[in-house]
Amino acid sequence: DQQVKQNSPSLSVQEGRISILNCDYTNSMFDYFLWYKKYPAEGPTFLISISSIKDKNEDGRFTVFLNKSAKHLSLHIVPSQPGDSAVYFCAASAHTGTASKLTFGTGTRLQVTL
Amino acid sequence: DVKVTQSSRYLVKRTGEKVFLECVQDMDHENMFWYRQDPGLGLRLIYFSYDVKMKEKGDIPEGYSVSREKKERFSLILESASTNQTSMYLCASSPPSKTQYFGPGTRLLVL
Repeated sequence: DQQVKQNSPSLSVQEGRISILNCDYTNSMFDYFLWYKKYPAEGPTFLISISSIKDKNEDGRFTVFLNKSAKHLSLHIVPSQPGDSAVYFCAASAHTGTASKLTFGTGTRLQVTL
Repeated sequence: DVKVTQSSRYLVKRTGEKVFLECVQDMDHENMFWYRQDPGLGLRLIYFSYDVKMKEKGDIPEGYSVSREKKERFSLILESASTNQTSMYLCASSPPSKTQYFGPGTRLLVL
């Protein structure tokens, strides 16, 4: 049962335009959400996160939006740059009392074209 | 800067071999994790540890074991490697907050 879903395996965007990556989740106990970026043959790099008490968090060109009623979050990258080409993973966490486990989506490959 | 290192970037092993993957973090993090990444499946949690000598199963622990004898080091052990364990293995660590920091990964091929 995939609790975190990224339904678009790939996305192509022109340089300078906005990239919107989407993520849906099913577990209402998730209270913290993260986006990671991964280049080939490297480990994922933390990008941005949002707590369930917020609906938006912004960091430079990256903004994450959370819609709790729809159980949906999105990552906006504007303006998109060629260096943003990577696989993006959405992850979610529910506070369990021990280590906070992350549940990852299957990833979306973003290609930013010139 | 958080630094998570993994002992090998690439490994080739034979079916039935015992395989050790090591992970070291230098930020005194309590929590450490082992994932595998496969195409179309994202990252799946194998095991994690929230303290020295403490471990918990993740979503896919079968065929794996772990060891955490020191806070900075978390080892993943494949007792008898099989071809379906060919994958990219990723180690991560985190403080009590929820952001996990990943190592560069080990690409394991089991022949």
